[in-house]
Amino acid sequence: GQQVMQIPQYQHVQEGEDFTTYCNSSTTLSNIQWYKQRPGGHPVFLIQLVKSGEVKKQKRLTFQFGEAKKNSSLHITATQTTDVGTYFCAGLGDMRFGAGTRLTVKP
Amino acid sequence: DTAVSQTPKYLVTQMGNDKSIKCEQNLGHDTMYWYKQDSKKFLKIMFSYNNKELIINETVPNRFSPKSPDKAHLNLHINSLELGDSAVYFCASSQGWMAYNEQFFGPGTRLTVL
Repeated sequence: GQQVMQIPQYQHVQEGEDFTTYCNSSTTLSNIQWYKQRPGGHPVFLIQLVKSGEVKKQKRLTFQFGEAKKNSSLHITATQTTDVGTYFCAGLGDMRFGAGTRLTVKP
Repeated sequence: DTAVSQTPKYLVTQMGNDKSIKCEQNLGHDTMYWYKQDSKKFLKIMFSYNNKELIINETVPNRFSPKSPDKAHLNLHINSLELGDSAVYFCASSQGWMAYNEQFFGPGTRLTVL
């Protein structure tokens, strides 16, 4: 079945550094969604990408969908301690979630 | 005002027992889901209901049985609990199929089987 791989599994950064997580699929995705889960919390929707090559920004967060619609990335510029959490991608059609990237930020 | 609520928040029980987790959403959504998140944070869909009808039934032991009395509720009943059932269970809902629409997750139920 469809596999959505996410890397890295863990990322530890110093506050102010940038962070990127990547999501790769073995098959073409119709769309992709990104979620954030704070420690002890529940997943919260961040964004959905649909078009090939699409780029969307939310303040310090930049989301990209690859031209072939098989990969996506989330980039955070100048991380803050509030960015701590696990970031998940989820791909269509049966919405399999990636394993997530756990981000920790050292003040 | 909670959009998606689950009860209980914590559930500690012995192996072999039967337990239920309740979920309610007040968003007017027509699709609801159950997810299991294990200790490694892997989030796996278990069931999906649309307008009270089962859509997705992943490879889940038949000890797990979802029940949707109406569009706003999706409960999860688990028979003969096993150690491996220990996890956080999340309920979620969306308006329309999840692949195209934002999912709203409940706060989770942490199940511990002793």
